[in-house]
Amino acid sequence: DSGVTQTPKHLITATGQRVTLRCSPRSGDLSVYWYQQSLDQGLQFLIHYYNGEERAKGNILERFSAQQFPDLHSELNLSSLELGDSALYFCASSAGGGPPGDTQYFGPGTRLTVL
Amino acid sequence: SQQGEEDPQALSIQEGENATMNCSYKTSINNLQWYRQNSGRGLVHLILIRSNEREKHSGRLRVTLDTSKKSSSLLITASRAADTASYFCALGSYNTDKLIFGTGTRLQVFP
Repeated sequence: DSGVTQTPKHLITATGQRVTLRCSPRSGDLSVYWYQQSLDQGLQFLIHYYNGEERAKGNILERFSAQQFPDLHSELNLSSLELGDSALYFCASSAGGGPPGDTQYFGPGTRLTVL
Repeated sequence: SQQGEEDPQALSIQEGENATMNCSYKTSINNLQWYRQNSGRGLVHLILIRSNEREKHSGRLRVTLDTSKKSSSLLITASRAADTASYFCALGSYNTDKLIFGTGTRLQVFP
């Protein structure tokens, strides 16, 4: 158990809908990262927050947004969902401000299925 | 692409054999990490090797790094069925603000 929790574990929804994925980092970790993993794209970095502020952005679509709250938990919002958004979404956390030196601890993931 | 390329894509071995997987990259790095992912689960950090290190050990794991060839290898000795998983390298660099993951090697260890 990494100490990172993600809810829900599974999410099934329809195209055009909006969903929110939630992540609680390990106790004491200030950084939260979001990744998308699909069969054809591999593990793609989406966004990184450090202590409430956006630190880095990756291949995150405009339909997606995220935030980190004062208690350090984070939410990833996905809107106008498309079939291609079906994937595993991982949250990870680390103690410091981010790469390259930080070890990232991954949550169990949320499996999103868009029908 | 900055992504690490892993080789082989898939590897099947018997318990007790050694497994070697390789990661090649194109950018300059400050460190390289290896992660394991059991099917459908989150990634687990295995080991980090810095750019000024050539070899590092952790239990049955041995990692080498050759920055002149821009490549790293992960050796798992005396493999077990429980080592069955996908293994990813991840590149860390002060030039980028993100960890860049490789394409992964799927390892299957048969009892």
